[in-house]
Amino acid sequence: KAGVTQTPRYLIKTRGQQVTLSCSPISGHRSVSWYQQTPGQGLQFLFEYFSETQRNKGNFPGRFSGRQFSNSRSEMNVSTLELGDSALYLCASTRDPAGNTDTQYFGPGTRLTVL
Amino acid sequence: DQQVKQNSPSLSVQEGRISILNCDYTNSMFDYFLWYKKYPAEGPTFLISISSIKDKNEDGRFTVFLNKSAKHLSLHIVPSQPGDSAVYFCAALNAGNNRKLIWGLGTSLAVNP
Repeated sequence: KAGVTQTPRYLIKTRGQQVTLSCSPISGHRSVSWYQQTPGQGLQFLFEYFSETQRNKGNFPGRFSGRQFSNSRSEMNVSTLELGDSALYLCASTRDPAGNTDTQYFGPGTRLTVL
Repeated sequence: DQQVKQNSPSLSVQEGRISILNCDYTNSMFDYFLWYKKYPAEGPTFLISISSIKDKNEDGRFTVFLNKSAKHLSLHIVPSQPGDSAVYFCAALNAGNNRKLIWGLGTSLAVNP
C-alpha cells in the first residue's frame, strides 16, 4: 500500500508570491491534516479536512487555506508569502477520524523556502 | 503557550543502554498521548501511544509510562540501538470535540555505537 505522498518535495518562492502544495493520502484514508514545522515552533496544526469539508482549524492567518477533493486528495495554498512561511509542510492522513485516536500517517513533507 | 513540553532538546546515550525521553503537558483535558519518531527528510512515523486510562503501554523495546497526577509521560527505549537515532515527538490529543493533535518541540536522540 502506497504511503502518503506530497508534491513538490522542495520549493523556492519569493515574498509576495503564492504557492500550492499537494497531498495524496493513503488509499482509503478520508481525513487529511496539514502541519507546519519550524525549528522553533515544532509542528503546528494548520487544518484538517474530511469529506471535502474543513473540520478543524489551527491558529494561522487567512493567507493559509486548503481544500479536499472527492478522491480525498488535498491541497493547501499560501498567498502573499512572507519570509516566516519558510518551513517544512507536512500532510498526514487517517482512515476515519470517527475513532478519535486514529493514527496519523505522515508524508515526507514539502520544504518551502521563501526568499 | 506550549501545552506539550519536551524540555530536553537533545539526548545522547550509549548503544545497549536505556534511553528515556520525557514529556510534560499542562492541559488536563488531554486523554490520549502519542510518540512519533522522525528521521531527517522524512515525515514523522507513529511509534507508540497510551490512553489516559492506562499508566503503561509496551511494544517491544519501547515502553511509554503515563503519570496523570504529574501530567508527565516518558518513553523508554531498551536496549537503545544506533538506528533509534532520530527526533522524537510527544503529542497529545483531547479526544472530545477538539481533535487537534498538540505537539511538543521534539527531542533529538543520538545513540552512539
